[in-house]
Amino acid sequence: EVQLLESGGGLVKPGGSLRISCVVSGGTFSDYAMSWIRQAPGKGLEWVSGISSSSGSTYYADSVKGRFTVSRDNFKNTLYLQMDSLRAADTAVYYCAKDYANTKWGQGTLVTVSS
Amino acid sequence: QSVLTQPPSASGTPGQRVTISCSGSRSNFGSNNVYWYQQLPGTAPKLLIYRNNQRPSGVPDRFSASKSGTSASLAIRGLRSEDEADYYCASWDDSLGVWVFGGGTKVTVL
Repeated sequence: EVQLLESGGGLVKPGGSLRISCVVSGGTFSDYAMSWIRQAPGKGLEWVSGISSSSGSTYYADSVKGRFTVSRDNFKNTLYLQMDSLRAADTAVYYCAKDYANTKWGQGTLVTVSS
Repeated sequence: QSVLTQPPSASGTPGQRVTISCSGSRSNFGSNNVYWYQQLPGTAPKLLIYRNNQRPSGVPDRFSASKSGTSASLAIRGLRSEDEADYYCASWDDSLGVWVFGGGTKVTVL
C-alpha cells in the first residue's frame, strides 16, 4: 500500500523560508503526479501546487505563485515544496497527495508563520 | 469564497439518508470529473468518490454520488455515527488552471 509521510514543518517568521518534504513508499513514485494541499486552522482545503511525474509540468495557486516552488526527486521518492516570502496567511497544515485526483494523502505537516 | 459551493452543514439520525450538494460551473464540473473527500475529525482527508460516481475499494456502498451538468451531490445511505466528518467536493478548473475545492460540509449524526 502506498504511504506518504510529510516532514519539515515548523515555526518561521514572516518573510522567511521553509522547505517541506513528502516521502512516498510502497509504490512507484516516478509514475505518480503529486500535489500539495493546505488547510488553515479551522478552515477548508486549498490546493497549493501540483507537479507531473517527470517534473515536466508544474502548477500553482495564484496565492502562492512566485513564492513557492514544487519539485521532486524520483530517485529519493521525495516531493518537496520550497516556500519563500512566507506570510501569516500561509499558516496551515500542508498535505501531500498522490495523483492529480489526490487519491492518497499524507498525515500533514504544520507550518506556522508568526513573529 | 470557494469556487465550488457546498452547504456548511447537514445532519441526520442514524439510519437516515443524507445528501450533500455541490454547485460548480462550466469551467470545472461542466468539463471535468468531480471528486469527493471525507475528513474525519483530527485526521487527513481521504478519497471517497472519484470520477463523479466511482468508489475506491474499501469505501462502503452506503456512499454514492452523481453529477448532472454543473452540479453534483453525495448521498450517505443508512447514516452511522462514524460518518460524522467534513465532506469536500473538488474538481479541476479549466479557466483557473488549478484544482478547486468546495468549502466543505460538516455532517452531524444526531
